[in-house]
Order: sequence, then structure tokens, then C-alpha cells
Amino acid sequence: ETGVTQTPRHLVMGMTNKKSLKCEQHLGHNAMYWYKQSAKKPLELMFVYSLEERVENNSVPSRFSPECPNSSHLFLHLHTLQPEDSALYLCASSQDQRGGSNEQFFGPGTRLTVL
Amino acid sequence: AQKVTQAQTEISVVEKEDVTLDCVYETRDTTYYLFWYKQPPSGELVFLIRRNSFDEQNEISGRYSWNFQKSTSSFNFTITASQVVDSAVYFCALGGVLFKTIFGAGTRLFVKA
Repeated sequence: ETGVTQTPRHLVMGMTNKKSLKCEQHLGHNAMYWYKQSAKKPLELMFVYSLEERVENNSVPSRFSPECPNSSHLFLHLHTLQPEDSALYLCASSQDQRGGSNEQFFGPGTRLTVL
Repeated sequence: AQKVTQAQTEISVVEKEDVTLDCVYETRDTTYYLFWYKQPPSGELVFLIRRNSFDEQNEISGRYSWNFQKSTSSFNFTITASQVVDSAVYFCALGGVLFKTIFGAGTRLFVKA
């Protein structure tokens, strides 16, 4: 595997389900990100991890819970989601310990539909 | 506050036409970085270019060129002789040493054969 991978690519879940999104980067980067992309909305930064520590949480509802067990893996745990949470969830990584000075490399995203 | 504006929501061109995607940014920082990303229908954003605020030299890469002008706070992207494969959403982004990358709303480009 190369670059940034995400699984699953598509996910349909009910509002009472619990599921997890997985991201893995094979680039040796030290920062990882979760973004939400909704129709006709800019990319919304959700969480940032640098050296496995969460450095940013952009007022994301608690029904989204990130986990970064090591610098190569990032998870987004989902529970009791709402239909408005349906979106494309993108993971990215960069060689970046602070700020936004370096380019990010993105995975293909998980298309989430909440029924 | 930092902001990125891509005023063009959608652009439609015919193959082989040249097209310019506009990007205007706002920041009070003296050190910052500008990026362009391409998002094809597959969904994955692809990094195209990074420029820092101290380097206003324009850049050309094949059919792609970028015009960075600090005087107008713009970082425009031109595709020469567009091709159908250029159809995608293009995002301009602004990053800094002390703030995370901020993305514009994106410009959807349709290139018709």
C-alpha cells in the first residue's frame, strides 16, 4: 500500500449504530487529520493529531470520537449520528508538527450515509 | 483572521481552451503558504503546488501555471489547452506557521469534449 488509505470506502448506518472509520498513512508523516466534506460546503477540519497527540478539535460533536494509536493510524469512531452527518470523510497526513506550512496528502475518503 | 475566497463556483469550457481559476486570500501573517489541490470525481484530493509568501515567482508545470501576486493577495491557477481529464473540483488553500490550513470553497471545472 502507498499513500493514504481509508476503509471502508462507503458506509451506511442507522442513527443508533456504532461504527469506525480507519485511516492509514504509509508516508512516514507525523501529523494526521480528519475532514468532513458536505455537499456545497467547504472542507471542514474536524481533528488534528501531531505526534499522536490531539492538537486541534474544531468544536466537533461528541458523537465523533477520534483515536490515534500511532503515527500511521487514525480512527474516527461514530455513534448515534444524525442524518446531517452524512458526508464524505477525508483523512489526510502531512510532515507537520504545527501550523499549516506543509502540503497534505489525502485518502480517497469514506462516503457516509446516515439513515 | 484568515480567509480564502474562490469566487467561481463552476466553470465550463470546451477542450483545448485555456482556463484560469481565481483565488484570493486574506491573512495578516507575513509568513504563510498557499496551495492548490485537485479533487477528481474519485474523491481524493491531490496536491498540486505549494508556494511560500516570500517567493512570488510564477511557476509552470506542463499545462499548469500559477500566478502569485501579493499586491492583490491572489494566487491564480491557469490550465492551458484544457483536457477532459482536467474536470474536477479545484481547491485553493492557505496555511501558516501558527494556523492550520484553510481551504476555499472550491471551483468545479467541467471540460467538455
